Amino acid sequence: GNSVTQMEGPVTLSEEAFLTINCTYTATGYPSLFWYVQYPGEGLQLLLKATKADDKGSNKGFEATYRKETTSFHLEKGSVQVSDSAVYFCALSGSGGSNYKLTFGKGTLLTVNP
Amino acid sequence: NAGVTQTPKFQVLKTGQSMTLQCAQDMNHEYMSWYRQDPGMGLRLIHYSVGAGITDQGEVPNGYNVSRSTTEDFPLRLLSAAPSQTSVYFCASRPAGAPIETQYFGPGTRLLVL
Repeated sequence: GNSVTQMEGPVTLSEEAFLTINCTYTATGYPSLFWYVQYPGEGLQLLLKATKADDKGSNKGFEATYRKETTSFHLEKGSVQVSDSAVYFCALSGSGGSNYKLTFGKGTLLTVNP
Repeated sequence: NAGVTQTPKFQVLKTGQSMTLQCAQDMNHEYMSWYRQDPGMGLRLIHYSVGAGITDQGEVPNGYNVSRSTTEDFPLRLLSAAPSQTSVYFCASRPAGAPIETQYFGPGTRLLVL
C-alpha cells in the first residue's frame, strides 16, 4: 500500500535560518503529493502541492519538488519566521480513483525562535 | 461562512461511555470525512460520506458509527469508548468532484478516554 515517511522532529531553528523537512514516499502509479501545515489549535491547511514528476509546488516562501527518481518531496524555505512555527505533514493521494483517501506522514513539529 | 465547525473542543470520557462528536459545515459541501490524529502519526480516515444518506468506511472504522441525514451535519458516534480511542478528531468537507486536497478541516476535538 501507499506510505509516507517524514523526517522525525522536532526541529528548532532561529529566525531567518534555512529549513528542510525530508519526505519520501512509496506508492503505486503516479500519486499527487502535498504538504499540509497545522498551526496550534487549528485544523490542517494545504500548503502546497505537486501532481506530476518534476513539478514544483510553492506557497508563502515554501517550496517542494516532486522527484520521482528518488520518490521524494522535500519541503524547503530559505528564511523561516517565528510565524512558521507549526506542524508540517507530507501526504499523498493515490492515482487511479483513490480520491477518497490521503496518506499522511507522521508530521514534523517546527519551532522557530526569534 | 463559519466553515467547518466541531463541538466539543475537548472531552473526557470514562471507558464504556458513549458520546457523539458533532461536525457541521455551511458551505453546502457534499463530501465530508472524519479523521483521527494520534501522537507521532499522520491523520487516518475513519468514515466518509459523499452526500446525505450515503456513508462508507475508511481505514480505521471499528468502534465508530456515522450517519448523514443532512448535507450540513456529519456526527461521529462512539458507542462504547475505549482508551485506544483517545485521540484528536478532525472533520473535513469539500465539494463533490473537487480534489481531495482541497478539503477544509475543522479545528478538531480532543478526546481523552480514561
